[in-house]
Amino acid sequence: AQSVTQLGSHVSVSEGALVLLRCNYSSSVPPYLFWYVQYPNQGLQLLLKYTSAATLVKGINGFEAEFKKSETSFHLTKPSAHMSDAAEYFCAVKPGGFNNLIFGAGTRLAVHP
Amino acid sequence: DTAVSQTPKYLVTQMGNDKSIKCEQNLGHDTMYWYKQDSKKFLKIMFSYNNKELIINETVPNRFSPKSPDKAHLNLHINSLELGDSAVYFCASSPGGGRSGNTIYFGEGSWLTVV
Repeated sequence: AQSVTQLGSHVSVSEGALVLLRCNYSSSVPPYLFWYVQYPNQGLQLLLKYTSAATLVKGINGFEAEFKKSETSFHLTKPSAHMSDAAEYFCAVKPGGFNNLIFGAGTRLAVHP
Repeated sequence: DTAVSQTPKYLVTQMGNDKSIKCEQNLGHDTMYWYKQDSKKFLKIMFSYNNKELIINETVPNRFSPKSPDKAHLNLHINSLELGDSAVYFCASSPGGGRSGNTIYFGEGSWLTVV
């Protein structure tokens, strides 16, 4: 069965600090992996996705993620947090051949001055 | 222009009522979805349509009935609303039958509160 685990339901960082949001997946077939962001009372916006090309994927707003097959991980990072990064972040997997996204439980990122 | 638009954004209604949420996408995509986000922010698929044909129907009460009049629209009708139906409902779409690494684009969500 396919699943996604996001370690840490809440992450708090200082403005300017490194952001690291963890995501591990389980998939019986080669997966496609996604990170979405949800700002308060808004929909989901795609940050970046891995589709079996480069293992280091760059996304919007300075975020990037690295696909590590040996660790079944797809962690999201940003070198320097901004106040505007405060939001809910969702990792999702789409197993190859399927047309459905399976989401992790989400990680709420708080950024304090 | 909004790519995936859904209405209403907020809906407060009484138990037992019937309500609909409408969704339209102007991206020319073949596949549309309904996802439900519960109070703990957990997202799960409810339905998926490809060119008006139902292809995913998760374990959802049959009080929920999707309708796709054409491939640009996927409406969600809910009968006999219950308190547990309170959630955020997201419409989404994707190209190419939704397979492979194609991105799924989400609407802004419809916040349903049943009182």
